[in-house]
Amino acid sequence: LAKTTQPISMDSYEGQEVNITCSHNNIATNDYITWYQQFPSQGPRFIIQGYKTKVTNEVASLFIPADRKSSTLSLPRVSLSDTAVYYCLVQNSGAGSYQLTFGKGTKLSVIP
Amino acid sequence: GAGVSQSPRYKVTKRGQDVALRCDPISGHVSLYWYRQALGQGPEFLTYFNYEAQQDKSGLPNDRFSAERPEGSISTLTIQRTEQRDSAMYRCASSLGQGLDEQFFGPGTRLTVL
Repeated sequence: LAKTTQPISMDSYEGQEVNITCSHNNIATNDYITWYQQFPSQGPRFIIQGYKTKVTNEVASLFIPADRKSSTLSLPRVSLSDTAVYYCLVQNSGAGSYQLTFGKGTKLSVIP
Repeated sequence: GAGVSQSPRYKVTKRGQDVALRCDPISGHVSLYWYRQALGQGPEFLTYFNYEAQQDKSGLPNDRFSAERPEGSISTLTIQRTEQRDSAMYRCASSLGQGLDEQFFGPGTRLTVL
């Protein structure tokens, strides 16, 4: 599986847009990019998944350039409740096992 | 139930004792995963089931760890002869299908081995 690299931490003020970039230089053709969010004392929660270009849902947007070697999770107008750890993962659609491989994630702190 | 449930939520045991951790997935979910999470780290994969079949146990640290899902629903992760290094949060997740479906995580069991 492609290894991912993302910033260890980020700070943002309430109301700002936050962009978290993840690099995955060795991504394979069958790989998808998935982001999970984890609040303190809770299990991770799925945010968004994409293969290429742009994906948007009610929570976030995911931008993936043509070479797919990186991706950017965009959170519009963050609030204090968005303080969490955000994990970028690469999942292989052709594998026989679909376990998630987490790194250390990006700890986002939203400041009032 | 509404989500994935795990029991007990907290378990304190003495070194050398066996423990059994239970996971009750979302009804109808085919796949079930076990992860272990150390403080400040992301979850680490342990094992995975499709229905009652254990498809992948490559993440189990050693033969003291085992898991079962006999009827394709509830799963039990058993740790024999616990050691202090086994202390961690143990998380269970389930997904509707076998592919890239999102995984729904339970609240976890905090295991402390004294």
